[in-house]
This record gives sequence, structure tokens and C-alpha cells, in this order.
Amino acid sequence: AQSVAQPEDQVNVAEGNPLTVKCTYSVSGNPYLFWYVQYPNRGLQFLLKYITGDNLVKGSYGFEAEFNKSQTSFHLKKPSALVSDSALYFCAVRDGRDSNYQLIWGAGTKLIIKP
Amino acid sequence: DTGVSQDPRHKITKRGQNVTFRCDPISEHNRLYWYRQTLGQGPEFLTYFQNEAQLEKSRLLSDRFSAERPKGSFSTLEIQRTEQGDSAMYLCANSLLGAGTEAFFGQGTRLTVV
Repeated sequence: AQSVAQPEDQVNVAEGNPLTVKCTYSVSGNPYLFWYVQYPNRGLQFLLKYITGDNLVKGSYGFEAEFNKSQTSFHLKKPSALVSDSALYFCAVRDGRDSNYQLIWGAGTKLIIKP
Repeated sequence: DTGVSQDPRHKITKRGQNVTFRCDPISEHNRLYWYRQTLGQGPEFLTYFQNEAQLEKSRLLSDRFSAERPKGSFSTLEIQRTEQGDSAMYLCANSLLGAGTEAFFGQGTRLTVV
């Protein structure tokens, strides 16, 4: 069965420190992986995706994510956290067959950046 | 601004009333999804359209929920005989075809059933 796990409900980081938000997945075929951010009372905003190629992908707002096939992980990272990064972060995966439209979502991780 | 527009942003209704939400997607995006989201949770899939065809509806969705996408353009989601458990954020998203395409979300409609 396809699934996404975000093992941490909440991550607390001091401003200026590096941050990591974890995501692991399970799909039958090749994984297409996505990260989204959600600010209070707003819709989800796309941050970055991994389709193929370089395992390190860069996205919006200085975020990057590393695809690790052997560990089936796609952790979100940022070298230096900002207070404005505080939000809810969602990882999602899609089985890499063109006909597959379903996105499987993680439960989300609340990121709190303290000044 | 993602280009996906939802209306209204907020809706308060009495239990038992019908409500309808509208989504205006990015014009060239074939795929359209409706999701429901409760506080602190991930999006819960409701239904999917490819152009005007509704290809999937969640088995968890009661018959009180119906969605349309006439002519493959805007979409509406109707909830009949609302219940307090329907209170949630309703999100519309759309994308191009292809497994590697990201979805763009609207701001959502927050429904409160009193």
C-alpha cells in the first residue's frame, strides 16, 4: 500500500539554526515526491519536488530536500531557519505512472522557529 | 498567488442547510481535486476530475456530497443537509496531466456548521 509518514508532529528550531523535517514513503513504482507549506487559514503552497535526477532538489524560500532511495526518505532541509518559516509542512508522494493522479499525503509537521 | 480561486472564503451555515462552494482553476490545468482538511491534519481526498469527467469519488464521502465541473472549467462542490461534522476547510487544487506535476491550491473555503 502507498503511504507517507512524517514521524514528527512538531519540530522546534532556534532561528539561524539548520532545520530538518522528516518524510518517509512507500510506493509500488518510482516515487514522485513533493513538499508543501501551509500558513494559518491558507491553502497549501508548493515548495519543491523530486521527479528524477539529482537527489538534492532546491525549492522556494531557501528550502531543499534530499531524496534517498535506499532509505525511502525525502527530508526537507534549510541551512538557516527564519521565524517566518514557522508553518505546517506536508510531504506527499505519487506513484510515477503517468496515469496515476492520486497524491498520498503525510499528516503534516508543525515547524516552530523560535527567535 | 497560485491562480486558483475559491469562493466563498468563509461560510457559516445552520445544520440541515445546503451549501455550495466554487473553484475557478488555472485555465489550462486539466486535473482538478477537492480535498477536505480539519485542523492540524493533512488533506483528505474527496473527488477528482480530469477535464469535465469525474473519475473518482472517495468511498468515505457520503451521498450528501456532490461535485460538478461543467465543460472542464470551474467546479462546484455541494453539501446537502449539512451536519456539524462537515465543519472543515475545503480545498480545491489543480494541475496539468502527468505524474510529476505539482498541484496548485486555492485559499480554501472554511465551513462552519452551527
